Amino acid sequence: QSALTQPASVSGSPGQSVTISCTGTSSDVGSYTLVSWYQHHPGKAPKLMIYEDIKRSSGVSNRFSGSKSGSTSSLTISGLQAEDEADYYCCSYAGSSTHVVFGGGTKLTVL
Amino acid sequence: QVQLQQSGPGLVKPSETLSLTCTVSGDSINNYYWSWIRLPPGKGLEWIGYVHRTGTTNYNPSLKSRVTISVDTSRNQFSLKLSSVTAADTAIYYCARDRKDSGDYYFDYWGQGTLVTVSS
Repeated sequence: QSALTQPASVSGSPGQSVTISCTGTSSDVGSYTLVSWYQHHPGKAPKLMIYEDIKRSSGVSNRFSGSKSGSTSSLTISGLQAEDEADYYCCSYAGSSTHVVFGGGTKLTVL
Repeated sequence: QVQLQQSGPGLVKPSETLSLTCTVSGDSINNYYWSWIRLPPGKGLEWIGYVHRTGTTNYNPSLKSRVTISVDTSRNQFSLKLSSVTAADTAIYYCARDRKDSGDYYFDYWGQGTLVTVSS
């Protein structure tokens, strides 16, 4: 069981928007502005998409955006494209000894 | 362009030690922290631990008793050893650059991944 809770799957049609939630606690997501999001196409290395809750990594499309409210962080993908179909993982700093915790991952299907 | 190249066996017997190496190119290993992360089948990512050029390490509490991460600055490499493996350690193992140095705590460059299967 992962420390951060994500929906197992989400889906949307091309051109639509989808939001993936990531729920933690006051010990991780709720205490730091240090949530990152990763896109993972199976067989490839994970790719950093968002860091520090809302900042896009270099080269990442502005269709990807991050937000946070309390202990829940969210990744929104607008204007869905076929190549967005992948697994998405959230990650949060959780203190000096634990370092970071990940979510269980969300499979995005583009219909 | 920073690149991380992983090497090591893809099959390890139960009770033995898993060993993987990550070679960094395009930047000095001295400038950052370096982590190992794994993805078990059907589960989420799990941080294993990090190392700094000074030899400073930090490990996931759930794996701490079995993990050793070391760095070889002369070869621009860092390595993972996980002892007494069981089937539960079967996973894709990734090395990654850890931005702890800047207080940001994210992973911006990743290795290609190594599927390690624990089986006799």
